[in-house]
Amino acid sequence: DAKTTQPNSMESNEEEPVHLPCNHSTISGTDYIHWYRQLPSQGPEYVIHGLTSNVNNRMASLAIAEDRKSSTLILHRATLRDAAVYYCIPLQGAQKLVFGQGTRLTINP
Amino acid sequence: ETGVTQSPTHLIKTRGQQVTLRCSSQSGHNTVSWYQQALGQGPQFIFQYYREEENGRGNFPPRFSGLQFPNYSSELNVNALELDDSALYLCASSLESAISGTQYFGPGTRLLVL
Repeated sequence: DAKTTQPNSMESNEEEPVHLPCNHSTISGTDYIHWYRQLPSQGPEYVIHGLTSNVNNRMASLAIAEDRKSSTLILHRATLRDAAVYYCIPLQGAQKLVFGQGTRLTINP
Repeated sequence: ETGVTQSPTHLIKTRGQQVTLRCSSQSGHNTVSWYQQALGQGPQFIFQYYREEENGRGNFPPRFSGLQFPNYSSELNVNALELDDSALYLCASSLESAISGTQYFGPGTRLLVL
């Protein structure tokens, strides 16, 4: 399993952009980089995933380094609802998700 | 398109009892994975089912067992409950042929063992 490193916590203000970093230097060449988030008392929620190119969806953007050893999840305008624990997880095919400690994101009003 | 559903939402059992948790996968998904999340920790993989067979297992004892049915729904059974089994149990569904492996989670069942 690829090892990931994320900051334990981050804080931002409402309506400002948030950049959540993740290092995954041991990622295999065929692993997709997935991001999930978990709001209090809920199951993890899929956010976005990518392989090599940057990706955008309605929730967020994912910027992947050229060497794929790191990635950054970008929330363009944070809302209070974005307060959650964010996990970055390399994954390929029908494998298990290996959750680390994640980054606890706090959004200030 | 219906999402992943789990039942019950909450459950209280006593040590030594047995429990069955249920999961209905997202429409079109044929693979179900189960995770245990202790308070303050990230989810830990228990096992995965595909085509009604166990398709991978984490570091959990045999008293954790599962089933997958022809409609891809699944059950998690835990025998001889211990206090440390108190946790949020999460079910996630996915499509086995999807290269990315994206899994979609249900809301979980919160189990308390007294």
